[in-house]
Amino acid sequence: GAGVSQSPSNKVTEKGKDVELRCDPISGHTALYWYRQSLGQGLEFLIYFQGNSAPDKSGLPSDRFSAERTGGSVSTLTIQRTQQEDSAVYLCASSLVPRTDTQYFGPGTRLTVL
Amino acid sequence: RKEVEQDPGPFNVPEGATVAFNCTYSNSASQSFFWYRQDCRKEPKLLMSVYSSGNEDGRFTAQLNRASQYISLLIRDSKLSDSATYLCVVNIANFNKFYFGSGTKLNVKP
Repeated sequence: GAGVSQSPSNKVTEKGKDVELRCDPISGHTALYWYRQSLGQGLEFLIYFQGNSAPDKSGLPSDRFSAERTGGSVSTLTIQRTQQEDSAVYLCASSLVPRTDTQYFGPGTRLTVL
Repeated sequence: RKEVEQDPGPFNVPEGATVAFNCTYSNSASQSFFWYRQDCRKEPKLLMSVYSSGNEDGRFTAQLNRASQYISLLIRDSKLSDSATYLCVVNIANFNKFYFGSGTKLNVKP
């Protein structure tokens, strides 16, 4: 069956521009997570969705970052006025139920801010 | 203090060797434990969940020690294809986030 998909796979943007990253979770998965991974680093939690609501936004680095999920499915992560330190791989994961279930990751979006 | 800590390695071992990694976690309310594997420039993939009684999957054995707050991963008869970064993951009860360690890099050499 189809796994988690993310688009675009690569994004190069100029400092100050806005970017939108998309995640399509596995069908039927209620939980969706966004993470960020800088080169050679571990995964940094950004935000978690249960259905369309985000009970935990504590990981968002600044108010330039926002995310939404519609229809309990597709999610978008928006970064406004991008900065060079935003350059990283942004990974999305979904799981059937939250907390204890296996997370399945998408291939990620590699964001480069020039 | 990080929620999850791992030795970054790298662990360089010959084919056929047995290698073990430990991962410590700081929150005693941690509820679920996993090992993920991440190949270079790829997404993490679940290797195995870690159960209280310990569990085995082929050449891989995972153990949980709640008293000392660590989990371990043992790989027997290492293969070249086991070369990757192994991520320890912990979920804390009543929280909806997963804490990832920074990973332990394994290089299996011929």
